[in-house]
This record gives sequence, C-alpha cells and structure tokens, in this order.
Amino acid sequence: DAGVTQSPTHLIKTRGQQVTLRCSPKSGHDTVSWYQQALGQGPQFIFQYYEEEERQRGNFPDRFSGHQFPNYSSELNVNALLLGDSALYLCASRRSLADTGELFFGEGSRLTVL
Amino acid sequence: AQRVTQPEKLLSVFKGAPVELKCNYSYSGSPELFWYVQYSRQRLQLLLRHISRESIKGFTADLNKGETSFHLKKPFAQEEDSAMYYCALRRPSGGSNYKLTFGKGTLLTVNP
Repeated sequence: DAGVTQSPTHLIKTRGQQVTLRCSPKSGHDTVSWYQQALGQGPQFIFQYYEEEERQRGNFPDRFSGHQFPNYSSELNVNALLLGDSALYLCASRRSLADTGELFFGEGSRLTVL
Repeated sequence: AQRVTQPEKLLSVFKGAPVELKCNYSYSGSPELFWYVQYSRQRLQLLLRHISRESIKGFTADLNKGETSFHLKKPFAQEEDSAMYYCALRRPSGGSNYKLTFGKGTLLTVNP
C-alpha cells in the first residue's frame, strides 16, 4: 500500500494562473481533506470531501475549490493565484467508519507562485 | 474560535535528558487533542491522541482541562526523537467533523 499519494510534488506558477493538485487516498479510505502549510506554520484546513461532496470548509476564499471522484481520489484547484498561495499543500485521508482520530497524510505538493 | 499554541519553535536537549513539548489550546468545550510528528524526509503522522491515554515511543501526554494544556513528555530523550512535533485539536464531532487545528510546531533536536 503506497499510502496517500499526491502529484505533482513541486510546481511553479505565476500570479493570476490556475493550478490543479491531485491526491489518491490510502487504500480503503473514502474521505479526503486538504491542508495548506505555509513556511514556518502548521497545516491549515482548507476543506474535506466525502461522498463526492464538500462537507466542511475552512477559512479560505472561493478561489480554492475541490472535487472528489467516485474512486475517492480528489483534486484541489486554486484560481487567480496570489504570491501568498505559495505553500506546501497536504492531502490527508481516512476511513469514514473508523473515526479513530487519525489522518494519513501525503508528502505534499509544493507550490511556488512568482 | 479554536486555537492551538506551541510556544517553543525550537527545543534542543541532550540524549537521556527529559523532554517536554508544550501545547496550550483555546476552546470552550471538550476538544480532542492529538500530537502529530514529522521525522526528517517522512510524512506527517499521528504520534498519539489523548483519548487513548497511550504511551507511544515512550511519549505521553495528559490533557489538563484546567490549564487548557496537552504537553508532550518523555523521560529520556533519544536521538531518533529529533523531529518536528505538531499539537492539533478537533472539536468533538460524532464522526462528521474532521477539521484539525494545528499549532505552528516545535522542532526538537536531541544531541548525542
């Protein structure tokens, strides 16, 4: 089991562009969350997807949107990129019926906005 | 609003010394508290959760509701404990809430 996988690992964009990040959850997991981790900060919750719907959202603007597919994989889209969107984007998965409190994280996608 | 504060950005101890990583939280109810750890070149992973009252890799953490703290402790630090440690909080949910609020993290270095 490869665990949570994310792509791409690194990418560079310019201000105003759009980006799509992808995540495949750990085998057997059906719930995916996205976090933004700026340099020197802890991860900050963006949103969570379950059954292909956004179930919970953090304090992020509408420029941040997502999607979950029938195979439970997920995408994070960010439009009209700002310099401040430069960060490590983490995907985390869990199994909805096993509410142990544990999230399984991917290695992240590092976005640099120039 | 819920908040997690880890007052120490960096903590350096010698091997065999006791270590305590501090975590304070603000939340009006009874939250669930966790410690996550990230070793060098590895992904973020759960270390322990307060509801389990378990000891993992010699680490323990006790939830003190009076002081709103959840400090992580280990009596004898080992070099392999060197890592970034994050304290995290979740509102009680019944299973539908999975938003974790993280602190900024403490980088622990255990010197030989």
